[in-house]
Order: sequence, then structure tokens, then C-alpha cells
Amino acid sequence: DIQMTQSPSSLSASVGDRVTITCRASQSITNYLNWYQQKPGQAPKLLIYVASSLQSGVPSRFSGSASGTTFTLTISSLQPEDFATYYCQQSYTTPRTFGQGTKVEVK
Amino acid sequence: QVQLQESGPGLVQPSETLSLTCTVSGGSISSYYWSWIRQPAGKGLEWIGRVSSSGSTNYNSSLKSRVTMLVDTSKNQFSLKLSSVTAADTALYYCARDESVGRAHVYWGQGTLVTVSS
Repeated sequence: DIQMTQSPSSLSASVGDRVTITCRASQSITNYLNWYQQKPGQAPKLLIYVASSLQSGVPSRFSGSASGTTFTLTISSLQPEDFATYYCQQSYTTPRTFGQGTKVEVK
Repeated sequence: QVQLQESGPGLVQPSETLSLTCTVSGGSISSYYWSWIRQPAGKGLEWIGRVSSSGSTNYNSSLKSRVTMLVDTSKNQFSLKLSSVTAADTALYYCARDESVGRAHVYWGQGTLVTVSS
């Protein structure tokens, strides 16, 4: 199975900060990497698919990039509604695997 | 607008079989893969497996011996059975649709909590 290593596991940030979350795959997944946002009591919400494509309706402050087996989610200017947990997921092959999650908290 | 709704018992006895159904509305179950994903309280997401509208399946390696997924196109439903459950299977269970582009999950159910306890 492909292992997805996400870092950091948590971070503290302020509104307006630039936030970066990294996800590393244990082998090549080409660009089949998705990012989700989850708020307490809610199902995950897709933000980014195939590494850098913004899901419809998602604010443009969210972006994704890739370099080899390392993928990055960037929030350019953190907004109050962005405090949440973020997960990466590889969809290159089955079984699909998720990263451990990154909780973005208020500083 | 596609909607997914999980249903099934909220409490299952240890060693018994967990059975959940996901009902799809606002769209056809045909031509897609449909996934089950779970999340223990306070923990991360775990992909359990998926079933296609034609009945093809893929399962998580660690659960494969205990999982069965089926699809009923006449009812626009798909189901999950997990046998020989233990307390470690207590979690919020989500169903979701696999999109053709990117193979990501856009549509999710709200989740249903299943507790394994006697």
C-alpha cells in the first residue's frame, strides 16, 4: 500500500497568514493527489484534486502544487473559516490512502 | 444535486456483522465507483473500500478478509458489511462517490456513527 506522510500534524496560525501543508507519498502517484478540509461535525470537503486543480466553489486562496512525490497545499491568506483539519489522499491506486491530517488552529 | 445518506444500526455487538446502506438520490448510481470511509472519534480518515455500479470491488488490505460491498442499482443503493467486529471498528462511517476526473470524493454522506459494544 502507498503510505502518505503529512506534515505538520498541527500548526498555529493567525488570520492573514500564509499556511503550507506538505504530503509525501511513499512511491510515485503521478499527480493523483487530493486535498480535503474537514470541520468538526462535518464530512470532509474536497478542495483540490489532481494535485493542483481547484474544486468548483473553493476560494482561490487555496492552491496545490507537486514536486515528484511531495505535494503541497497552500492557503495564501488564512481566513477565520479556514481553521479546520486538512487531509491529503492519493487516488493513484487502490487501496486509497489518506495522510494523518493537519489541524490548523488559532494562534 | 447528488445526495448520499447512510443508514443502519448504530450499535453492533462484538463479533457480529456491521451492516450499512448508502442511498443515492439526485443522480444515478450507474457509471461510478462508490466508496466507504470511516473515522474513529478524534482520529483520521480510513478508506474501507469501493464498489462499482457493476459490482466490481476494491478493499483496504487490512480489512479485506472481513469486508463485503454490494450494489443494488434498482434501489440506487450500495452497502457495506464488516464481519467479526471489535471495539476498534467503532467509528463514524461515511459513504462517498468517486469522481471520474481525479478520482476524488466530491459527494459525501453526512456519516453514521457505529458503536461496537455489548
